[in-house]
Amino acid sequence: KNQVEQSPQSLIILEGKNCTLQCNYTVSPFSNLRWYKQDTGRGPVSLTIMTFSENTKSNGRYTATLDADTKQSSLHITASQLSDSASYICVVSPGGHNAGNMLTFGGGTRLMVKP
Amino acid sequence: DAGVIQSPRHEVTEMGQEVTLRCKPISGHNSLFWYRQTMMRGLELLIYFNNNVPIDDSGMPEDRFSAKMPNASFSTLKIQPSEPRDSAVYFCASSLALTTGELFFGEGSRLTVL
Repeated sequence: KNQVEQSPQSLIILEGKNCTLQCNYTVSPFSNLRWYKQDTGRGPVSLTIMTFSENTKSNGRYTATLDADTKQSSLHITASQLSDSASYICVVSPGGHNAGNMLTFGGGTRLMVKP
Repeated sequence: DAGVIQSPRHEVTEMGQEVTLRCKPISGHNSLFWYRQTMMRGLELLIYFNNNVPIDDSGMPEDRFSAKMPNASFSTLKIQPSEPRDSAVYFCASSLALTTGELFFGEGSRLTVL
């Protein structure tokens, strides 16, 4: 069964500190992995996408890594800001034309950044 | 671009009443999804349309739920009759390039059934 597990479930850090969120998946076949950020009361928004051949990708203070061999991804947030407080959701896609119903969602990590 | 537009943003209703949630996808996107989000279960796919045709509705909880997409710019999710366990946030999302897996979500409709 395809699964995406995220850890930790929740995390509290002080403003300015770094943190790393984890995503482990058992989805097969694998096409790409995407990290979404969901602010409270809003819909999820894509932060970055990782394909099979990519090991690391940065988007500002966000850096995602992917190890396709161990089926693990991480999202590292540098110099956290209060606006980083949100849920972060890992989504894995098998790819293909009709992959819409094949996306597997993780349960998310709820991050709170305190001043 | 206005993004995916959902209405209403909040709905409070009594058990047994009919609820209709509405969604306008991003123009040009050919796939539309309805998701339900709860604290316990996270995001769950209810139904997925491609080119206005329902492709997979296996996530629809039961016959009380129905969804339609009469044209490329409008979709509805209806619950009749509603029950307290239907209380959740319902998201509509659209996509153009499913091969890359990017979904564009609306702001959600928070449903409370008393």
